[in-house]
Amino acid sequence: QVQLVQSGAEVKKPGASVKVSCKASGYTFTGYYMHWVRQAPGQGLEWMGWINPNSGGTNYAQKFQGRVTMTRDTSISTAYMELSRLRSDDTAVYYCARDVGIVPAAMYGWFDPWGQGTLVTVSS
Amino acid sequence: SSELTQDPAVSVALGQTVRITCQGDSLRSYYASWYQQKPGQAPVLVIYGKNNRPSGIPDRFSGSSSGNTASLTITGAQAEDEADYYCNSRDSSGNPDVVFGGGTKLTVL
Repeated sequence: QVQLVQSGAEVKKPGASVKVSCKASGYTFTGYYMHWVRQAPGQGLEWMGWINPNSGGTNYAQKFQGRVTMTRDTSISTAYMELSRLRSDDTAVYYCARDVGIVPAAMYGWFDPWGQGTLVTVSS
Repeated sequence: SSELTQDPAVSVALGQTVRITCQGDSLRSYYASWYQQKPGQAPVLVIYGKNNRPSGIPDRFSGSSSGNTASLTITGAQAEDEADYYCNSRDSSGNPDVVFGGGTKLTVL
């Protein structure tokens, strides 16, 4: 079955960087856009950006431009999201989520499935 | 960028029908999708496109759209439907972005 498995929880100090991984299985990794979404404690979902795993092309939400980098390693079907210059308000659960749309024809913004989430805590 | 607006909270009596709405300009150009999220769990896609349900989603969940409003309807709400529900869609500002609504907390009484 299609599955996304993310790396474990992280605790970081302000100003540091964090890199979260998302390993895909059960489908052709390069065939579908991969998105990253975060959720601060008690808050709603916030879209961060996507990567085209085939070309490596990316698109980031304006809010995160300059701080976020999305990459992939097709040899191990894994996507990565790195967020730099962390602040306390970056404390959140970070999710990867596969788009329903097929690369490169369509990016629908409909996400299925989602990874289990990775809690990133930023604290001094 | 576009915004999507949802009511923060909605309640429904057990077995009754409830509609959860999502408003925004982007919905005039793009279909929404809907996600159910229970405490401590990742979101789950329940409706996408015009009115499509992923495999395993009960047929009491349905979707519709008119103008700038998308709706998720649960016909015969069950106790296990109590959850947060989020809508999202492509952004219509010209960038290939995605936007989420703020979420609706559904309480089943």
